[in-house]
Amino acid sequence: DGGITQSPKYLFRKEGQNVTLSCEQNLNHDAMYWYRQDPGQGLRLIYYSQIVNDFQKGDIAEGYSVSREKKESFPLTVTSAQKNPTAFYLCARSIILGTGELFFGEGSRLTVL
Amino acid sequence: QQQVKQSPQSLIVQKGGIPIINCAYENTAFDYFPWYQQFPGKGPALLIAIRPDVSEKKEGRFTISFNKSAKQFSLHIMDSQPGDSATYFCAASRRSNDYKLSFGAGTTVTVRA
Repeated sequence: DGGITQSPKYLFRKEGQNVTLSCEQNLNHDAMYWYRQDPGQGLRLIYYSQIVNDFQKGDIAEGYSVSREKKESFPLTVTSAQKNPTAFYLCARSIILGTGELFFGEGSRLTVL
Repeated sequence: QQQVKQSPQSLIVQKGGIPIINCAYENTAFDYFPWYQQFPGKGPALLIAIRPDVSEKKEGRFTISFNKSAKQFSLHIMDSQPGDSATYFCAASRRSNDYKLSFGAGTTVTVRA
């Protein structure tokens, strides 16, 4: 699992509901990331964090929020403002921000009914 | 707008064949080019990476060829096996952007026995 644990693996929600995806890492790494994967579009960066209590928007942050209260945890909330939330969400870590080498979790598949 | 263009979208080869995946980029500031391999239902995993100061890198049956002047790079899978069937993503990053990865759209490779 690349030292990253994501949960739940599958999640269903109704339109208008917020949902939080969990991401935990056990290797004491500084940098953590959230990506969204859609068929035919590759991976797109939602948010990333270099240190505790700090995070930066990626390319598609609208409709999402994150927190980094602990080094090992980087949860992602998909809010009702996200117009097309059905997707595969991937959390990743890297040893030092800037190496480009990411270690991904196994992903969470969110389906909006 | 995708910063890294990847082709083909999918390809099928017979066992022992050599699938070739091509990627092109425009931003000459990119200085790190990794390839990720993803099996269905799993997160991507780093396969091999190259920096622009070399034209070729081999790791086992996987080879990256890099053409800096053409701003293109490609992945070759030598003596492909059914176990190589997966989706492959090229990516690029640059130091000036904290090495955040820009991914290609992905290529699904099927190796038939």
